[in-house]
Amino acid sequence: EAGVVQSPRYKIIEKKQPVAFWCNPISGHNTLYWYLQNLGQGPELLIRYENEEAVDDSQLPKDRFSAERLKGVDSTLKIQPAELGDSAVYLCASSFGAGPAFFGQGTRLTVV
Amino acid sequence: ILNVEQSPQSLHVQEGDSTNFTCSFPSSNFYALHWYRWETAKSPEALFVMTLNGDEKKKGRISATLNTKEGYSYLYIKGSQPEDSATYLCAFPPSGTYKYIFGTGTRLKVLA
Repeated sequence: EAGVVQSPRYKIIEKKQPVAFWCNPISGHNTLYWYLQNLGQGPELLIRYENEEAVDDSQLPKDRFSAERLKGVDSTLKIQPAELGDSAVYLCASSFGAGPAFFGQGTRLTVV
Repeated sequence: ILNVEQSPQSLHVQEGDSTNFTCSFPSSNFYALHWYRWETAKSPEALFVMTLNGDEKKKGRISATLNTKEGYSYLYIKGSQPEDSATYLCAFPPSGTYKYIFGTGTRLKVLA
């Protein structure tokens, strides 16, 4: 069974530029999460989807971050414009209901 | 504010040594506790889902225990090997939510 697939693995952009990350969850997993992981910290939830509905986006900085999960499968996370402080690993995870989350390999973003 | 704490923050052990580390979580509204292993350049891998007070789970040389009344879980590694080197994360989804709260992790380095 394929795991959670994220792309790209690495991204380097200049500040003020836009960037987008893509996530394909495990087939059949209705819950999808985007996490932000800063160096030395545990992952922090940005947004959670139940099917195509964003049910928890309280931690998402909505002035520059947006996300969508069309058709309740793949999801994209966008930052526009990126700031230096956005440099981090962005993890996507999926689960079936409240079961254990399975993570993708993450996208390491460097904003210069 | 719900907080999940892990200790120690980092740990170096010699190959063959046994080791353990702690995850502390709020004891009220307990639903489950998840342990993950996160190796560098890979995605976090689910190790255990602990749900019942007194639970003890084992996977090879790694085992975990759970005390929901006092709010802690221990992860044990018997006879550590260099391939056990990773960050071990615990995550706590409060009852009635799907919002995993992660600890900052314990970074284990096993020296050959």
